[in-house]
Formats: sequence, structure tokens, C-alpha cells
Amino acid sequence: EDQVTQSPEALRLQEGESSSLNCSYTVSGLRGLFWYRQDPGKGPEFLFTLYSAGEEKEKERLKATLTKKESFLHITAPKPEDSATYLCAVQEVGGSYIPTFGRGTSLIVHP
Amino acid sequence: DADVTQTPRNRITKTGKRIMLECSQTKGHDRMYWYRQDPGLGLRLIYYSFDVKDINKGEISDGYSVSRQAQAKFSLSLESAIPNQTALYFCATSALGAEETQYFGPGTRLLVL
Repeated sequence: EDQVTQSPEALRLQEGESSSLNCSYTVSGLRGLFWYRQDPGKGPEFLFTLYSAGEEKEKERLKATLTKKESFLHITAPKPEDSATYLCAVQEVGGSYIPTFGRGTSLIVHP
Repeated sequence: DADVTQTPRNRITKTGKRIMLECSQTKGHDRMYWYRQDPGLGLRLIYYSFDVKDINKGEISDGYSVSRQAQAKFSLSLESAIPNQTALYFCATSALGAEETQYFGPGTRLLVL
């Protein structure tokens, strides 16, 4: 069973059509949850880190929120340049703190 | 200049060949990682190193080896390449600290024929 599950796998939106991406996790103790953006053929680019339930962070049209079992990446009025794969990663308390990545959500925003 | 660089960016090789992928960073981070990414499988950790004298296996280390030549350099070798090692390979770095955010290189696209 995956520790980090992202849904949906793929999402198509019209420009301006707001939506949310989901990242659910099953680690026993969360140290940190990370969101990354990855453009085709490029390395993931860091967006946000969340540490505790109720925390929120925003950047332009993106807002990340965290509960005890999942995180949402809300995209408000998306533009075509927001098209990318969005990756979620979770660090568990204890151990080496190596993050576990989800498989990502591929977002396409049509003009 | 990019903080994390990878060479080569693209590589085509034949089954059985030994190849090396190189990673350099200017971020001054102690921690370095090698991942592979396959369609539908996400990022999987191959090896990681927390300092020059520390090397650790990740979840998929079989068929791979690494060398940490310096704080800034971490190379990945495929001893005898096989077709199912065809993938996109990423190097990443992080600093020991409160956030330990990972910073990724641009990737190496490897095709094993």
C-alpha cells in the first residue's frame, strides 16, 4: 500500500475553472509535507512545505492546505501556464527523513 | 547558472555497457540523492548520501552504484545497463535543517537498447 496517494491522476481544466488536487498519506507521524511542480522533461521545482494540520500557504494562484490525513492544492482561476505535473511528498517523523513521493497529478489547462 | 547540474542530459547506450551519470551542486548542501522516474511510478529513490563518507541504499539500488567524490559531487553508475533501466534520472540535494527541502537537477534521460 502506497504511503502517499495523489488524486486524480490527471485533470483537465478550462482556463479560469478552479479545482483542487488531493494528496492523502498514511504515515504514523508527519514531519513535513511538500508540494512540487514538474514541467515535462524538467526536474521538480519546490512550491510549499506544510508541517501541521490547519496550516495553509499561498503562491499566486496556488494554495496548499493540510489536515491530519491529507493535503489539498487548490488552483484558483488557472491559466495554461499552470499546466504541469504536481507532486506531493511526505516526511515521516523518525528515521532518515527521506521524503516519500506520490505518483503525481498531471494538470492540463486549456485556453 | 543552475544550482544543481547533471551530465549528460541525454544518453543512449547498449545493453551490458557501463555508464556514469554525474551530478554537481553549488548550493553547499551536505545531502545528495539519486532518483529515477518512470511513467506512472513517480520518483523512486536509488541511493542517498548525507555527507562525503556516508552512502545509503534506497528502495531500488540493485544494478546501480554511487560515488560521492566531494561534498558537491555525486555520481551514479550502471555497472551493466539493461533495457528496464531506461528512465529519467534526477539528482537532488538538501540541507540538514528544519525544512530539508529537496532541490532537483534538470534530469538525465537514459535509453538502454
